[in-house]
Amino acid sequence: DTAVSQTPKYLVTQMGNDKSIKCEQNLGHDTMYWYKQDSKKFLKIMFSYNNKELIINETVPNRFSPKSPDKAHLNLHINSLELGDSAVYFCASSQRADEQYFGPGTRLTVT
Amino acid sequence: AQSVAQPEDQVNVAEGNPLTVKCTYSVSGNPYLFWYVQYPNRGLQFLLKYITGDNLVKGSYGFEAEFNKSQTSFHLKKPSALVSDSALYFCAVKPTALIFGKGTTLSVSS
Repeated sequence: DTAVSQTPKYLVTQMGNDKSIKCEQNLGHDTMYWYKQDSKKFLKIMFSYNNKELIINETVPNRFSPKSPDKAHLNLHINSLELGDSAVYFCASSQRADEQYFGPGTRLTVT
Repeated sequence: AQSVAQPEDQVNVAEGNPLTVKCTYSVSGNPYLFWYVQYPNRGLQFLLKYITGDNLVKGSYGFEAEFNKSQTSFHLKKPSALVSDSALYFCAVKPTALIFGKGTTLSVSS
């Protein structure tokens, strides 16, 4: 069974569109994260939720809105997509300060 | 500011030779330190972590890392490299969320 899954794996869309990426973990972890990996492979935290509560909200445009319907799910909605949003987005989960388990990533391409 | 530095963009080593991937950090308080590996078009996989205790930490796939508080370093090592170890390696520190280094590409030649 996949521990952390993301859908879709690939997402190609035009500027100005709105899109969502879904993440689910079946590890029973209490904390989930969204990371962005740019074209130079640099990884940066975007958001973190603990038991459905937002605990980390880095400097990310307001066009990005996370939503955690329950402890096992953390979705990312992006409004008015821009070229600079093209990247690979990773979801991850952890139990408290333990190591994080990453999903396979969603490659977003904005044209 | 809290940060992680991986001074080498790429490390090249021959199969069977020992390898070292360097990492230094700057963080207040006692750090939680991690190493992750990323294979092409895949997510990150956890290798090992240091929270407290023995400075030499053993992890997956024969990797180990040594925590050195005075040098604020957490170098990743393996006694004998395999071609299959070729990947992108990230060091990370966790004050609250993970702060990643920029990554080091390890290339092991046969």
